Amino acid sequence: DGGITQSPKYLFRKEGQNVTLSCEQNLNHDAMYWYRQDPGQGLRLIYYSQIVNDFQKGDIAEGYSVSREKKESFPLTVTSAQKNPTAFYLCASSTLGEGRHEQFFGPGTRLTVL
Amino acid sequence: AQTVTQSQPEMSVQEAETVTLSCTYDTSESDYYLFWYKQPPSRQMILVIRQEAYKQQNATENRFSVNFQKAAKSFSLKISDSQLGDAAMYFCAYRSYFTGNQFYFGTGTSLTVIP
Repeated sequence: DGGITQSPKYLFRKEGQNVTLSCEQNLNHDAMYWYRQDPGQGLRLIYYSQIVNDFQKGDIAEGYSVSREKKESFPLTVTSAQKNPTAFYLCASSTLGEGRHEQFFGPGTRLTVL
Repeated sequence: AQTVTQSQPEMSVQEAETVTLSCTYDTSESDYYLFWYKQPPSRQMILVIRQEAYKQQNATENRFSVNFQKAAKSFSLKISDSQLGDAAMYFCAYRSYFTGNQFYFGTGTSLTVIP
């Protein structure tokens, strides 16, 4: 079955450490996205990518970095520069141009900084 | 950037009754897509229904239907015959047709279904 996988489901990090969240899709979608979700604030866009080796900053990119070396993969690194990284992180993908147009989401990763 | 507003942080409905969740959006574009997503306690985002702005007919999916008022920039979701499994956060989302690289989400409405 096609879909989006995120790993791990739960992640714990000590302050000052970088950590990488995995996102893989087998839907053959061109666009991939990372969102952060905090209580009462909905989804906030961190980064998105429309094509391999290219990505754009979203509304809250500071303290985060991404790469897009393969169409299927869009890992997110939470760096020590991110002041309040404890949150729920969602990865999504979508087609560009003709298609169903909605976003498909992974199951999410809960990051907790100890 | 487009903005999406959900003015009801919390709603409740009796089981088997009907409830309507509100969503308004701000855009100068004429072609776009609108979506309602459901996020149950598992936190998996699930598409409930989608609407293309160029279609005048309101979208329906079983017990879920929308009231799309393009001139008023309003996109409400009606849930009929509410079930316990409908309890979730509901997010309204907008996607531009021409610059459709980004999706814009509202802050969500938490729906409680009372047995």
